[in-house]
Amino acid sequence: AQSVTQPDIHITVSEGASLELRCNYSYGATPYLFWYVQSPGQGLQLLLKYFSGDTLVQGIKGFEAEFKRSQSSFNLRKPSVHWSDAAEYFCAVAPRPGYFGNEKLTFGTGTRLTIIP
Amino acid sequence: DVKVTQSSRYLVKRTGEKVFLECVQDMDHENMFWYRQDPGLGLRLIYFSYDVKMKEKGDIPEGYSVSREKKERFSLILESASTNQTSMYLCASSLFPGTDHPQHFGDGTRLSIL
Repeated sequence: AQSVTQPDIHITVSEGASLELRCNYSYGATPYLFWYVQSPGQGLQLLLKYFSGDTLVQGIKGFEAEFKRSQSSFNLRKPSVHWSDAAEYFCAVAPRPGYFGNEKLTFGTGTRLTIIP
Repeated sequence: DVKVTQSSRYLVKRTGEKVFLECVQDMDHENMFWYRQDPGLGLRLIYFSYDVKMKEKGDIPEGYSVSREKKERFSLILESASTNQTSMYLCASSLFPGTDHPQHFGDGTRLSIL
């Protein structure tokens, strides 16, 4: 069964500092990989996704993530955080198409990001 | 932009009540999903549907049922609410079956069972 680990429950960074959120997955083959963000009181919004090709993917809001097959990781990065980035971030994995009727995302437990001035 | 609307942001019900959570999407999406979100557990899939009147169990279906009579509407039903069903419930939809179509989420319903 697929699983996702986000080892950091809570991270605090200063505004303007760089950010890296960790995500490790366990799956038999290379899955599809996603990062979602949840601002307070809202649903989840897709930041970026990796399906294939270039292992460095760009997303919205200045975020990027790098897929490393050898480490089974898909870490999220941002060079300079803004106060509006304070939110909860979820990594998710899913099987590739071909499993019709059984496509589902498996989410990590989330990392809460706090930004200090 | 895709709009997924959940009928209530906050809901308070009593133990044993039958509870309905409603979700509507406006983009003719095929797939719809219900998750619950709990601190430290992330999102867990309750049920999903890839067509009208079709449903599939997710990871935690016990105590829940769903209804999809129209393509745009997906209802989650708590047959007899219990306190351990107090949670945040999130509805999502995606264009087609297949995980290469990202899911779009509603803002959630925070349900309290007293």
